[in-house]
Amino acid sequence: DAKTTQPTSMDCAEGRAANLPCNHSTISGNEYVYWYRQIHSQGPQYIIHGLKNNETNEMASLIITEDRKSSTLILPHATLRDTAVYYCIVRKSNFGNEKLTFGTGTRLTIIP
Amino acid sequence: DGGITQSPKYLFRKEGQNVTLSCEQNLNHDAMYWYRQDPGQGLRLIYYSQIVNDFQKGDIAEGYSVSREKKESFPLTVTSAQKNPTAFYLCASTLASGSHRSYNEQFFGPGTRLTVL
Repeated sequence: DAKTTQPTSMDCAEGRAANLPCNHSTISGNEYVYWYRQIHSQGPQYIIHGLKNNETNEMASLIITEDRKSSTLILPHATLRDTAVYYCIVRKSNFGNEKLTFGTGTRLTIIP
Repeated sequence: DGGITQSPKYLFRKEGQNVTLSCEQNLNHDAMYWYRQDPGQGLRLIYYSQIVNDFQKGDIAEGYSVSREKKESFPLTVTSAQKNPTAFYLCASTLASGSHRSYNEQFFGPGTRLTVL
């Protein structure tokens, strides 16, 4: 699976949009971009995933560049509950093996 | 409510003792996983199982053992051979391990924090 690079930490004011970048310059054509987040001392939680097109769900939006070498997770109106570590993961859509490779992620702190 | 349970939340053991961490899911998921997390680090895969009575080593399997006798249960044993067992252990499951679907969200349990004294 392709490696990802994320900033170690970011701050965002409450109520503003939080934009979390992720570089995955070695991504291949059949690899998807997944985002999970982990609130302190809890298990990670799935947020969103995408292949080529931008995606949006009730939690966030995912913007993938045309060359697919980077992406941005957008939390449109950040709240204090969004303070967490956010993991960007790239994985193949293989038959069978579903393991995820977690890096160190971005620690997002929402400032009141 | 459906979900994944891990027990206990906190566990203390003396050095040299084996300890078994419980993971149960009632989501009817096929695949289950065990991860280890150290402070300030990401998750590392210990073992995973795609079907009952079958499991594979992950990236850091040494010093650990698992069993998958039932679909809903995937216990992890931390043996005395594990050099640094103190960590946060997370169990996860996925609906369809043998599917061609692109989307297979992993559901995580609340975790067990193991401290070896």
